[in-house]
Amino acid sequence: DSGVTQTPKHLITATGQRVTLRCSPRSGDLSVYWYQQSLDQGLQFLIQYYNGEERAKGNILERFSAQQFPDLHSELNLSSLELGDSALYFCASSVGDTGVSPLHFGNGTRLTVT
Amino acid sequence: GQQLNQSPQSMFIQEGEDVSMNCTSSSIFNTWLWYKQDPGEGPVLLIALYKAGELTSNGRLTAQFGITRKDSFLNISASIPSDVGIYFCAGQLQNSGGSNYKLTFGKGTLLTVNP
Repeated sequence: DSGVTQTPKHLITATGQRVTLRCSPRSGDLSVYWYQQSLDQGLQFLIQYYNGEERAKGNILERFSAQQFPDLHSELNLSSLELGDSALYFCASSVGDTGVSPLHFGNGTRLTVT
Repeated sequence: GQQLNQSPQSMFIQEGEDVSMNCTSSSIFNTWLWYKQDPGEGPVLLIALYKAGELTSNGRLTAQFGITRKDSFLNISASIPSDVGIYFCAGQLQNSGGSNYKLTFGKGTLLTVNP
């Protein structure tokens, strides 16, 4: 158990809808990262937050947004969903923001868009 | 952008055999990480490497950070059935401000171990 909790485990929704994925980092970790995993693209970095502030952005679509709350949990919002958004979405956390604290991953949310 | 080439894509081995997989990059990294992912779960950190030339072991696993900082390998000795899974390498380049830069992941090596 990595200590990173993600909910829900599975999500099935229709195209055009909006969903929210939730992540609670490991106790004491200040950084939260979101990754998208699909069969053809592998693990793609979306966005990082550190202590409530956006710290780095990757290949995140404009339809997607995230935030980290004062209690350090994070939410990833996906809107105007398309079939191609179907993937596993992982949250990871780390102690700091220095590049020497490895990421610890949750078990992911499997999103299916029909 | 940074790209990681991980090979092989998949391996089928017999229990007890040794396994080797590697990653190469077009860019220099400051950190190399190796993760394992079991079905239905998130990647789990196996080994972290922070210095060029560093050789680190974790039980039957050994990984090395290449001298050029553009490659890393992972060896698994005396494989067992529970070694089955997808192994990912990941490279990280720390930016000059010291902030955590995004991890770049390889596409993974799918390992199957026949008992």
